Amino acid sequence: AQSVTQLGSHVSVSEGALVLLRCNYSSSVPPYLFWYVQYPNQGLQLLLKYTTGATLVKGINGFEAEFKKSETSFHLTKPSAHMSDAAEYFCAVSNLQGAQKLVFGQGTRLTINP
Amino acid sequence: NAGVTQTPKFQVLKTGQSMTLQCAQDMNHEYMSWYRQDPGMGLRLIHYSVGAGITDQGEVPNGYNVSRSTTEDFPLRLLSAAPSQTSVYFCASNRQGEPYNEQFFGPGTRLTVL
Repeated sequence: AQSVTQLGSHVSVSEGALVLLRCNYSSSVPPYLFWYVQYPNQGLQLLLKYTTGATLVKGINGFEAEFKKSETSFHLTKPSAHMSDAAEYFCAVSNLQGAQKLVFGQGTRLTINP
Repeated sequence: NAGVTQTPKFQVLKTGQSMTLQCAQDMNHEYMSWYRQDPGMGLRLIHYSVGAGITDQGEVPNGYNVSRSTTEDFPLRLLSAAPSQTSVYFCASNRQGEPYNEQFFGPGTRLTVL
C-alpha cells in the first residue's frame, strides 16, 4: 500500500525566506507524486507533479520539488516566500491503476510572517 | 467553464438524518471522486467512479452511497448521519487515461452532524 508522510503540520517563515515543506512517500513501485495547495475556504489546486523523467519539477507560483528515489522524498521548495503563499499544502501519491486514487499526506499549514 | 461545483456549501444535520451532497462538472471528465478532509488526516477517498454507471469504494466508504447516472453528476448520499461524519467534503474530477492526470477539486461542503 502507498502512503505519504508530511513532516511538520505547521511551518512558519518570514517573507522573503526560503520555504521548505517535507514529504516522504512509501510505494512498492515507482510513484506519481503531487503537491496540491489549498487556500482558505477553497478547494485544492495542483501546484506540480512528478511523473517520469527529470527529477526536478517546476510548478506554479515559483514552487519546485525534487524527486529523490534513494530518499523516498519529494520536498517542496520556494526560494523566497510571499505573503500570498500562506495556505495549506498537501503531498499526494497516485496509484498506478486506471483510476487515479490519490493518497494524501496530513497537510502542512504554511504561515508567512511579515 | 464552471469546473467542479458542489452544493450546498454548508449543512447542519441531526444524527440519523439523511441528505445528499451534490457534485457536478462541466469538463466532460470520465473520472469523479469524493474525499473527506479532517484535521491532521489530509484527504481520504470515500468513493470514486470511472464512468456513468460504474462506481467503487475508496478508503473510507462506510456510511456513504454514490451513484453515477450521467457523466456530469456524482452525488454523495448519507443515509443516516452520524457525528463521525462531521467533515469537509470535496468532489474532484479528472480525465481518464494516465494516473497522473490532474484532479480538479470543487470548493467543498462543510457538514456538521449534531
